[in-house]
Amino acid sequence: GAGVSQSPSNKVTEKGKDVELRCDPISGHTALYWYRQSLGQGLEFLIYFQGNSAPDKSGLPSDRFSAERTGGSVSTLTIQRTQQEDSAVYLCASSTNFRSEQFFGPGTRLTVL
Amino acid sequence: AQKITQTQPGMFVQEKEAVTLDCTYDTSDPSYGLFWYKQPSSGEMIFLIYQGSYDQQNATEGRYSLNFQKARKSANLVISASQLGDSAMYFCAMREGTNDYKLSFGAGTTVTVRA
Repeated sequence: GAGVSQSPSNKVTEKGKDVELRCDPISGHTALYWYRQSLGQGLEFLIYFQGNSAPDKSGLPSDRFSAERTGGSVSTLTIQRTQQEDSAVYLCASSTNFRSEQFFGPGTRLTVL
Repeated sequence: AQKITQTQPGMFVQEKEAVTLDCTYDTSDPSYGLFWYKQPSSGEMIFLIYQGSYDQQNATEGRYSLNFQKARKSANLVISASQLGDSAMYFCAMREGTNDYKLSFGAGTTVTVRA
């Protein structure tokens, strides 16, 4: 498909385990974003990648969260030692550049038991 | 302080009628962009419409129009001729500054269209 894809669509894990969430942006989009959507906090910005520049990690809630983007395309968000408060929907978005509209993927629903 | 405020948690609208979703924003930056997204039950955020702070005219996209009142810092979304498929959560979002890229989202408004 031509849109942003994310995998897995659902992930259930036990507290303390590590998880990896994947995002495939729209081909040709240089900007990639991760957001988190939770009941208590709404939609929060997590991290931004633009081309080969250093990512903006200012939204990551703790050092248990990290993300990388390989080859300027696919991105992986990793959460180490998951906690119950990490339960949320993690949304990835991409855009042609930082000023254009962001197109979102379907999200990964993470449940930490 | 909240940058985006959506005061209507939920709304019901009759099919074929128009509905207005409220959004107020708070920024001291003269350059900003306002966005509306739709999130159906499937979870995907769908971009609807954009308004730049320097745009002279209100944005329109098909059945969507944005009632931009800069002095009041309001950017209400109007959906005309509502359809059952419009039932979803609607989010107002803002990007501040000429070099920023982060979107700040409101809490959202759930719209339910009745037949």
